[in-house]
Amino acid sequence: EAQVTQNPRYLITVTGKKLTVTCSQNMNHEYMSWYRQDPGLGLRQIYYSMNVEVTDKGDVPEGYKVSRKEKRNFPLILESPSPNQTSLYFCASSLVGRRTDTQYFGPGTRLTVL
Amino acid sequence: AQSVAQPEDQVNVAEGNPLTVKCTYSVSGNPYLFWYVQYPNRGLQFLLKYITGDNLVKGSYGFEAEFNKSQTSFHLKKPSALVSDSALYFCAVRAPDSNYQLIWGAGTKLIIKP
Repeated sequence: EAQVTQNPRYLITVTGKKLTVTCSQNMNHEYMSWYRQDPGLGLRQIYYSMNVEVTDKGDVPEGYKVSRKEKRNFPLILESPSPNQTSLYFCASSLVGRRTDTQYFGPGTRLTVL
Repeated sequence: AQSVAQPEDQVNVAEGNPLTVKCTYSVSGNPYLFWYVQYPNRGLQFLLKYITGDNLVKGSYGFEAEFNKSQTSFHLKKPSALVSDSALYFCAVRAPDSNYQLIWGAGTKLIIKP
């Protein structure tokens, strides 16, 4: 089954404790992206990657890091989480080649930073 | 600045009645337009998209959307609402010269009452 998986689905942590949210897709997509969803703000892009070893900042990259060492994986790293990073996070992927291609989303990771 | 507006935070419709979820955009050129749906505790799912051609686009679950270039709108519609249509709906736009980045609306919560 074609899918985007994220782990963990739920995470409660404390300020300053480094964490990683994993994202993996099995569709051989070149493009991957991380979003955060906050009430009333829709989805805001954190980082995206056009292919292996190619990453770029989205609209709200501060406090986050990413890496793309393999095509299927795109982990999101919070080196020193803060309460304002409490949010619902989504990973997405799509083909590269046509800007008409749709994005496929993971199930989301609900992060709470105390 | 490029933007997408979903003017209604919430839309309430009785089951069996027609529904409309509104979306307007401000993007240069001829954009690509998308609707996604988010069911509770789930990731976003693609509903439909407009690329070119017929202004009325049909998508999943009986939904359709009408592209109106002069009004820069892309409203989502369904002739007869089901309780199971209750969800959060997002409109997204991609400029033709973009780097695959989507511009998202804030979302509209659709509530279908029996």
